[in-house]
Amino acid sequence: AQSVAQPEDQVNVAEGNPLTVKCTYSVSGNPYLFWYVQYPNRGLQFLLKYITGDNLVKGSYGFEAEFNKSQTSFHLKKPSALVSDSALYFCAVRDGSGNTGKLIFGQGTTLQVKP
Amino acid sequence: DAGVTQSPTHLIKTRGQQVTLRCSPKSGHDTVSWYQQALGQGPQFIFQYYEEEERQRGNFPDRFSGHQFPNYSSELNVNALLLGDSALYLCASSLTPYTEAFFGQGTRLTVV
Repeated sequence: AQSVAQPEDQVNVAEGNPLTVKCTYSVSGNPYLFWYVQYPNRGLQFLLKYITGDNLVKGSYGFEAEFNKSQTSFHLKKPSALVSDSALYFCAVRDGSGNTGKLIFGQGTTLQVKP
Repeated sequence: DAGVTQSPTHLIKTRGQQVTLRCSPKSGHDTVSWYQQALGQGPQFIFQYYEEEERQRGNFPDRFSGHQFPNYSSELNVNALLLGDSALYLCASSLTPYTEAFFGQGTRLTVV
C-alpha cells in the first residue's frame, strides 16, 4: 500500500540555523513527491516537487528537498530558517506507475522557528 | 490570477442535513480534486474530476458526491451529515490530473 511517513510531529529550530523536516514514502513504481506548507486556517501552498532528474530539488521561499531512492526518503531542508517559516509542513506522494492523480499525504510536521 | 477559490469559508450544519461546497479552479486548470482534512491530520483524497467526470475516488462513502461543470468549477455534496464529517474541505486544481495541485483556502464544515 502506498504511504507517507513524517516521523516528527514537531521540529524546533533557532532562527538562522539550518532546518530539516523528514519524510519517507512507500509506493509502487516511480514516486512523484511533493512538499506543501499550511499556515493556520489556510489551505496548502505548494513548495516543490520531485518527478525525475537531479536528486536535489529547489523550491519556493528558499526551501529544497533531497530525494534518496535507496532510503525512500524526501527530506525538506533550508539552509537558514526564518521565524516566518513556522507552519505545518506536509509531504505527499503520487503513484507514478498508474493512471492516478491522487495525492497521499503524511500526518504533517509542525515547524517552530524561534528568534 | 485569483488562484483556487472556495465558498463558503465556514459552515455550520446539523446532523442529517445536506451540504454543498463550491470550488473555482485556478485559471487554465481543468482538473479539480477534493480532500478532507480532519483536525490534526493530513488531507485525505475524496475524488478527482476531469472533463466533467469523476476519474478517481478515495475511500469515502456514497454520501459524498460531486460534480464538475463545463467551466471546470466543481461542487462537493455531502448528504446525511454525521458529526465525523466535521473537517476542513480542500479543493485543489491542476493543469492535468498528473501535475502539481494548487489548493484553495478550504471550507471549514462543523456538524452539530
